Amino acid sequence: GIQVEQSPPDLILQEGANSTLRCNFSDSVNNLQWFHQNPWGQLINLFYIPSGTKQNGRLSATTVATERYSLLYISSSQTTDSGVYFCAVSDNQGGKLIFGQGTELSVKP
Amino acid sequence: GAVVSQHPSRVICKSGTSVKIECRSLDFQATTMFWYRQFPKQSLMLMATSNEGSKATYEQGVEKDKFLINHASLTLSTLTVTSAHPEDSSFYICSARALGQNTEAFFGQGTRLTVV
Repeated sequence: GIQVEQSPPDLILQEGANSTLRCNFSDSVNNLQWFHQNPWGQLINLFYIPSGTKQNGRLSATTVATERYSLLYISSSQTTDSGVYFCAVSDNQGGKLIFGQGTELSVKP
Repeated sequence: GAVVSQHPSRVICKSGTSVKIECRSLDFQATTMFWYRQFPKQSLMLMATSNEGSKATYEQGVEKDKFLINHASLTLSTLTVTSAHPEDSSFYICSARALGQNTEAFFGQGTRLTVV
């Protein structure tokens, strides 16, 4: 099955700093999503981005499908950005999402 | 975005009893829903794919007789953990996608199950 690798596994930032999270996947995909899991476990949809670039406020994402990676950019980080960020991809069979191991982000005041 | 509602959010049950978790898509129809399990400090692991009107498809290593899935309508899927044991304690979370394969998936709030 398809493999999803995220890096770095952990990241500690000072408030106001920028960061880039990476997601590599092993095969072609027809769906890629980024999520933020809050402390209560809720998965917040950040981006649905099988290809191209999108921006939403301080967050933006780019997926280069031909090279099998996606990047999530967080600018001017805030303490409320802390949590785990997951990348998940859907292969071409059944539409199920396969998750990476996540990046745990901690933003210090 | 679309709303997926999951209940209960937290449940404590005695070992040997069964627990039912509901997952509803509130503002869209979903022919397919997905059930995941997440242990502390780990990623989400897909347990099964729930198909409306047909049997669920389970991932390798997931006991279908222990984790019963029913998808009775286009907006409701249920997961029943039968004869629960302490090792079944985990965070269970469902997902739904609108009709059509290449659509965005939305997740419920999750259910934290503790078996004592």
